[in-house]
Amino acid sequence: AIQLTQSPSSLSASVGDRVTITCRASQGISSALAWYQQKPGKAPKLLIYDASSLESGVPSRFSGSGSGTDFTLTISSLQPEDFATYYCQQFNNYPQLTFGGGTKVEIK
Amino acid sequence: QVQLVESGGGVVQPGGSLRLSCAASGFTFSSYGMHWVRQAPGKGLEWVAFIRYDGSNKYYADSVKGRFTISRDNSKNTLYLQMNSLRAEDTAVYYCSRVLRFFMDVWGKGTTVTVSS
Repeated sequence: AIQLTQSPSSLSASVGDRVTITCRASQGISSALAWYQQKPGKAPKLLIYDASSLESGVPSRFSGSGSGTDFTLTISSLQPEDFATYYCQQFNNYPQLTFGGGTKVEIK
Repeated sequence: QVQLVESGGGVVQPGGSLRLSCAASGFTFSSYGMHWVRQAPGKGLEWVAFIRYDGSNKYYADSVKGRFTISRDNSKNTLYLQMNSLRAEDTAVYYCSRVLRFFMDVWGKGTTVTVSS
């Protein structure tokens, strides 16, 4: 099974900071990766698909990059509503899916 | 608007059974594959099961294979998850989600399952 390792598991940042989250796959998955945002007590929300495509309605400060085994989610200027937990998810061996362990973005 | 609403969660003893439902509205349910995803308290997301738009194929995580059954009734716009032989480690919030290509573009708010004696 393909494993996804996210780093860091948590981070503290201030409003306006540039934030980068990494997701590493245990084997190459081309661009078969999505990113989700989850706020406490809420369902996940799709942000990025195909590693770098922005879901409709998602602010342009979110961007994704990478292919193969190494991927990043970048928030160019952190906003108060961005404090949440972020998950990567691979769909290379669809429909068996796996998620990364999550990265919690907290207020500094 | 596009909406998924889960129901059927509750408290059940180990070894017991529960059936979750996910009511879909605002889109053509019969055109979309559907997933169940769960989240144990304080933990990350875990994929549970998938069913094709027409119910012809079903896939399960190893952790639930042989115990859980995913199904759907397209005439009722409803997705189901029959959970048998429940264990403490099945305690989680269970979400249903819609498939767009290979990822999940719409999620329900979740229903909580607690397995405890």
